[in-house]
Amino acid sequence: GIQVEQSPPDLILQEGANSTLRCNFSDSVNNLQWFHQNPWGQLINLFYIPSGTKQNGRLSATTVATERYSLLYISSSQTTDSGVYFCAVNGGSQGNLIFGKGTKLSVKP
Amino acid sequence: NAGVMQNPRHLVRRRGQEARLRCSPMKGHSHVYWYRQLPEEGLKFMVYLQKENIIDESGMPKERFSAEFPKEGPSILRIQQVVRGDSAAYFCASSPAGVRGLNTEAFFGQGTRLTVV
Repeated sequence: GIQVEQSPPDLILQEGANSTLRCNFSDSVNNLQWFHQNPWGQLINLFYIPSGTKQNGRLSATTVATERYSLLYISSSQTTDSGVYFCAVNGGSQGNLIFGKGTKLSVKP
Repeated sequence: NAGVMQNPRHLVRRRGQEARLRCSPMKGHSHVYWYRQLPEEGLKFMVYLQKENIIDESGMPKERFSAEFPKEGPSILRIQQVVRGDSAAYFCASSPAGVRGLNTEAFFGQGTRLTVV
């Protein structure tokens, strides 16, 4: 099956800093989503981005499907950005997602 | 438009009891997926259902676990004779109609945290 690798596994930032999170996947995909799991465990949809570039406020994402990676950019980070960021892909014949292990982000005031 | 609703949010069961987790998909969504998240790990797919049909249960343990999505009412994930290793967060996701859920965005509920004591 498809393998999903996220890097870095852990990231500590000072408030206001920028960061780039990476997601590599081992095969072509039909779907790629980025999620933020906040400290209360809730999964929040950030981007549905099987290819191309999208922006939403301080966050943006780019997926280069031909090279099998996606990047999530966080600019001017805030303490509320803390949590775990997951990349999830689907490449099979059905819609279930395969998750990476996540990047744990801590933003210090 | 309400999101994916899961209940209960927290569930405590003694070893050997049954756990029933409920999931109501977003309005207009006909695909339901259940995932399990162990502490400090990503989510792992368990089962994929459409109304009255189990499409793929390849990620679900063969014993004690079952799932349904009846014509009326929420989807149910049922765990019989729970053991401590079943303690985890269980998430439900739904997506709109599409060819087997492909090329559609999935939305997740807030999860049910199951603790087995």
